[in-house]
Amino acid sequence: DAGITQSPRHKVTETGTPVTLRCHQTENHRYMYWYRQDPGHGLRLIHYSYGVKDTDKGEVSDGYSVSRSKTEDFLLTLESATSSQTSVYFCAISENRGGNQPQHFGDGTRLSIL
Amino acid sequence: GESVGLHLPTLSVQEGDNSIINCAYSNSASDYFIWYKQESGKGPQFIIDIRSNMDKRQGQRVTVLLNKTVKHLSLQIAATQPGDSAVYFCAENFPALGYQKVTFGTGTKLQVIP
Repeated sequence: DAGITQSPRHKVTETGTPVTLRCHQTENHRYMYWYRQDPGHGLRLIHYSYGVKDTDKGEVSDGYSVSRSKTEDFLLTLESATSSQTSVYFCAISENRGGNQPQHFGDGTRLSIL
Repeated sequence: GESVGLHLPTLSVQEGDNSIINCAYSNSASDYFIWYKQESGKGPQFIIDIRSNMDKRQGQRVTVLLNKTVKHLSLQIAATQPGDSAVYFCAENFPALGYQKVTFGTGTKLQVIP
C-alpha cells in the first residue's frame, strides 16, 4: 500500500469554525491531490499540488485553501466550515501528472459540520 | 456503513462465479483508464489500468476490456470471492489545459453471496 496517512480520520465540528486536514506521504511523489466524496457523485477534485508551494484549483475549490510547504505534507483548510462541506475527504498522490499512472489514495477523513 | 455505497447500482454474484462490472466513460479524448476498488471505510485501491491503445489487459483474476467505439469499459473478476465485495468505480484520464484531468465514476456495489 502507498504510504499515505490522513489525519484526523474523523472530525465533528460546528459551522463557522476553521478546520485543517492533513495528508502525509512517505513516497516522495511530486503530485498530491485533495478530493471529496459524496453520495451520487464521483470523487471531485478540490485542489492539487505539483510541487512544494505549487498548487492549483480543482473543480470544487470554493471555500477551501491548501498549502504544501514540504514534499511530504499537503494541508487542506476550510476557513469557515459550512454544512455543505460535510463529506469524506481523500488525499491522493501520484509520481507524475498522470496519463500512464494511477493516483493512490489515503483512507480518508470523515468530516461532519453541524 | 459507508454512505457513499447507498443508492449505487448493485451486482450480486455467487461466490466462485465470474463478475462483470461495466462503466461508460464520457470523453472520446480520454487516453488512460483505471479501475478502483473501495471497501467500506477505506480509500479507493488501484486494481488495474489500461491505455487507450489497448483493448484488453489482464491481471491476477481481473481483466479490463476497453471499447473505444462505444466509450465503454468493463472489469471482469474471475472466481469471485467474499473479499471482492466492495464498490468498484472507473476513472478516465484525458489531456486538459496544462494538466491531465481525471474523472471518476460513481461506482457499482459488488455483493458476493457465500
